[in-house]
Amino acid sequence: DAGITQSPRHKVTETGTPVTLRCHQTENHRYMYWYRQDPGHGLRLIHYSYGVKDTDKGEVSDGYSVSRSKTEDFLLTLESATSSQTSVYFCAISGPQQPQHFGDGTRLSIL
Amino acid sequence: AQSVTQPDIHITVSEGASLELRCNYSYGATPYLFWYVQSPGQGLQLLLKYFSGDTLVQGIKGFEAEFKRSQSSFNLRKPSVHWSDAAEYFCAVGRDMRFGAGTRLTVKP
Repeated sequence: DAGITQSPRHKVTETGTPVTLRCHQTENHRYMYWYRQDPGHGLRLIHYSYGVKDTDKGEVSDGYSVSRSKTEDFLLTLESATSSQTSVYFCAISGPQQPQHFGDGTRLSIL
Repeated sequence: AQSVTQPDIHITVSEGASLELRCNYSYGATPYLFWYVQSPGQGLQLLLKYFSGDTLVQGIKGFEAEFKRSQSSFNLRKPSVHWSDAAEYFCAVGRDMRFGAGTRLTVKP
């Protein structure tokens, strides 16, 4: 992979609990993204970042927040997880006008 | 509104046969275009991309795609499919990376 590590790789939690997923890159890329993947929907963008402390909403941002305090780390937080947020979450990184490279994903189950 | 359509949810081809996966998009200008492949339990791997220039783009693993502006299409092709090509394929469009819903490819022996 292009120097992207997602953690944890798998998580099971209960409705109403907070959850934080981490994306770590070693490529020093400016742009980082969080997607969710659900059957029949492909990948949908949740949030993205174009620099430290610079983030913006994507297509399906409700119920999610993000933070980027360092170039290499992009955190996705579910403040109060719901069953509808059960999904596979992918982080991606890119340089300016470059295609995205993806991590291996985090499988999140909310019971 | 911007959108990406992959009309075929599932395609089955025989090993050695040719392959074409369709991608149609709705976009305001000539977009950036991408094809990714995803094997089970894995992340997405970039097969090829089109930003500008020659409308026939060569990618990895023997894949190619052709941008047809008049048809708003960016179809993925391979002349001879291998069993290892069985995977899910995603078309993506634009700088904001709108993804299609994907096409799952099954390869028969």
